[in-house]
Amino acid sequence: DSGVTQTPKHLITATGQRVTLRCSPRSGDLSVYWYQQSLDQGLQFLIQYYNGEERAKGNILERFSAQQFPDLHSELNLSSLELGDSALYFCASSVGDPYGYTFGSGTRLTVV
Amino acid sequence: EDQVTQSPEALRLQEGESSSLNCSYTVSGLRGLFWYRQDPGKGPEFLFTLYSAGEEKEKERLKATLTKKESFLHITAPKPEDSATYLCAVPPAGTALIFGKGTTLSVSS
Repeated sequence: DSGVTQTPKHLITATGQRVTLRCSPRSGDLSVYWYQQSLDQGLQFLIQYYNGEERAKGNILERFSAQQFPDLHSELNLSSLELGDSALYFCASSVGDPYGYTFGSGTRLTVV
Repeated sequence: EDQVTQSPEALRLQEGESSSLNCSYTVSGLRGLFWYRQDPGKGPEFLFTLYSAGEEKEKERLKATLTKKESFLHITAPKPEDSATYLCAVPPAGTALIFGKGTTLSVSS
């Protein structure tokens, strides 16, 4: 157990739908990062939050959004889902940059 | 453009056959180079951080080294349980870690 908790572990949904992925960071970590991993693209950075504020954006689509709550847990919202959004979505946390990240076990999203 | 390139993409070794994985990077102002191990269907697991050229770190059969343009992950006398994908990453200024696509290592007994 890495200390970073992601739910759900698996999600199957239809095209056009909206889903929410949840992440609880390791105790004491203020930064939360979201990554998408697909077979052909590898790990792609989506977005970072630090203590409730958006800190950095990567290759995040406009259909995707995220937020970090006062208790530091974070949610990634994916809407108008397409088949190509099927991937593993990882959350990671750290005390801050440039320290190493601790990753959760991921949410496997399948869009059918 | 900040970039991380890993080679080879895949590596098959016999148990006990030592080898090295390469990670080359282009980033302005290196603030660390990170190695992770990832097992299928699981999240990456942190292995090492290297901060300056010439630095080395070891953990069991793994040793990571860093130069100004690349890092190597040396695997000495590997065992089947070392089979995994090894990822390296760097943190460009102002954004999060960018990862290479990884080297998938298979060790057979």
